[in-house]
Amino acid sequence: GDQVKQSPSALSLQEGTNSALRCNFSIATTTVQWFLQNPRGSLMNLFYLVPGTKENGRLKSTFNSKESYSTLHIRDAQLEDSGTYFCAAERPSSSFSKLVFGQGTSLSVVP
Amino acid sequence: GGIITQTPKFLIGQEGQKLTLKCQQNFNHDTMYWYRQDSGKGLRLIYYSITENDLQKGDLSEGYDASREKKSSFSLTVTSAQKNEMAVFLCASSSNTEVFFGKGTRLTVV
Repeated sequence: GDQVKQSPSALSLQEGTNSALRCNFSIATTTVQWFLQNPRGSLMNLFYLVPGTKENGRLKSTFNSKESYSTLHIRDAQLEDSGTYFCAAERPSSSFSKLVFGQGTSLSVVP
Repeated sequence: GGIITQTPKFLIGQEGQKLTLKCQQNFNHDTMYWYRQDSGKGLRLIYYSITENDLQKGDLSEGYDASREKKSSFSLTVTSAQKNEMAVFLCASSSNTEVFFGKGTRLTVV
């Protein structure tokens, strides 16, 4: 089965509304990264998380290692938030980062 | 900050052809990666390298070779392009924490 499962797979939001994306992990995970892939295909780093919460502007993300999930909250959604959001779990390793990606959540923000 | 440069941005090859994709990073990161992304899907690891001249197979290495010629560069070779190779290939690098990605090479096989 999927080692990193993202939900929902697709989402349409009205401008100005709030929502949450979720990742569930079925593998041991030490850290989590969230990325936004824009329509041109570039992957932008959003968050790098150890267990806990980080906030950046209208985005907030939490990684709960005990319950094996991570969430990404989007507040006051804007048109430029549209794209595909990926979470990636880092597998335990002593020497380097080895990421396992979810399938992505395709977000469309509409006026 | 640094940047990861992938060349070419678009690559069109013929079925059976050997094709090489290149990646350069100026972060001075030790570890570099090649991922493949099929349309509408997540990323899958092809090869990675934890230092110059090191190579490690990922989950999807069959049909590919890689070369870490120096710390800043990591190239990927499709040994014999197939029509199902059409995908975006993403190079990344990290210093054992956060991973950063290039803008990708879009491969089309005709």
